[in-house]
Amino acid sequence: QQQVKQSPQSLIVQKGGIPIINCAYENTAFDYFPWYQQFPGKGPALLIAIRPDVSEKKEGRFTISFNKSAKQFSLHIMDSQPGDSATYFCAARSTTGNQFYFGTGTSLTVIP
Amino acid sequence: ETGVTQSPTHLIKTRGQQVTLRCSSQSGHNTVSWYQQALGQGPQFIFQYYREEENGRGNFPPRFSGLQFPNYSSELNVNALELDDSALYLCASSLVAGQGGGYTFGSGTRLTVV
Repeated sequence: QQQVKQSPQSLIVQKGGIPIINCAYENTAFDYFPWYQQFPGKGPALLIAIRPDVSEKKEGRFTISFNKSAKQFSLHIMDSQPGDSATYFCAARSTTGNQFYFGTGTSLTVIP
Repeated sequence: ETGVTQSPTHLIKTRGQQVTLRCSSQSGHNTVSWYQQALGQGPQFIFQYYREEENGRGNFPPRFSGLQFPNYSSELNVNALELDDSALYLCASSLVAGQGGGYTFGSGTRLTVV
């Protein structure tokens, strides 16, 4: 059972565009929602994270929007650049098991 | 300050063999978690170690086992390898189990079982 559902599977945007990646979860026993960026051959790197008592968080060109009632959260990348081309994973941390549940990933390509 | 280091980076094993993967946690981090990432998928939680004891386990069989050492480094052992064990194995360290923020991941060990 996929605890965190992520969409779309892949995304292609022009440089300067604003890709949006969405995630949804079922379990309410999650207390921390990070986004990770992964380049080929590398491990995931923490990009930005949010806690459920906050509806939006912005760090540089990256913004998380969080809708607690809908159990959904999304990543927006402002003014996207070719260097942003990577796979992005959303995740949710369980308050009980000290583990993270990851989405299936979104492959983003930013065309120059 | 060093990041998370994993070894080896790649290895090939035969079905039925045993393998040991190693991880050195980031300086100051005392908790290590292991994840399996199949091709095209998100990481799946195997288990976490804190204070040299297992502190949570995902849906993996007992042939997946681990250790954490006093210096917080860790090993993942997989016995009786199966073809489906082929994946990227990621080690992640964090400051305190269940607290704080996200992990720092290593670059992983690519295991191929033939």
